[in-house]
Amino acid sequence: DGGITQSPKYLFRKEGQNVTLSCEQNLNHDAMYWYRQDPGQGLRLIYYSQIVNDFQKGDIAEGYSVSREKKESFPLTVTSAQKNPTAFYLCASSMEGLSAEKLFFGSGTQLSVL
Amino acid sequence: GENVEQHPSTLSVQEGDSAVIKCTYSDSASNYFPWYKQELGKRPQLIIDIRSNVGEKKDQRIAVTLNKTAKHFSLHITETQPEDSAVYFCAASMRTGANNLFFGTGTRLTVIP
Repeated sequence: DGGITQSPKYLFRKEGQNVTLSCEQNLNHDAMYWYRQDPGQGLRLIYYSQIVNDFQKGDIAEGYSVSREKKESFPLTVTSAQKNPTAFYLCASSMEGLSAEKLFFGSGTQLSVL
Repeated sequence: GENVEQHPSTLSVQEGDSAVIKCTYSDSASNYFPWYKQELGKRPQLIIDIRSNVGEKKDQRIAVTLNKTAKHFSLHITETQPEDSAVYFCAASMRTGANNLFFGTGTRLTVIP
């Protein structure tokens, strides 16, 4: 899988623990996104970033944090404040910096709580 | 905010038949409507998108239609093949410059050989 890489594929979180999901892209895309996917539901936006050192909250940002120190990287931290973190997390990028068009997704990380 | 509803949640068709998936949206300001296909265990992939200034767009066996007045859009797959089996998501974007897509809940399409 080239283009956008997420790791790890599976992740387990203990009670009270923060965990970080990695997302790296080599597409030279300006915009990057984090979505959460729950069974039977559509994708919901957690955070997005249009440029380096800038990011904005999405619809369900509570309990999550991000950083965008490099254009290629947009890691997501699931903090202990997120009480229901079990979900499939998808990172995406887009050449269109000003709109969420033609998103290119990573393969996802399945996060589960121990 | 925008609310996108998608029907049906599951759809089974015989190979060679057509499949239609429908979505409605709530915000008349939405002007961009993509469709994503997610095969089992794989990433969602954009298969077709349409803007509000056109009513229909085709790409081989796939077409999308948009009715702005009724605020609904549909995905049409003709001559279905087993490899079309996947979950399909519709989405809507409220306006150019918005960085959020509002997704429907998905349709699991099964093409029976």
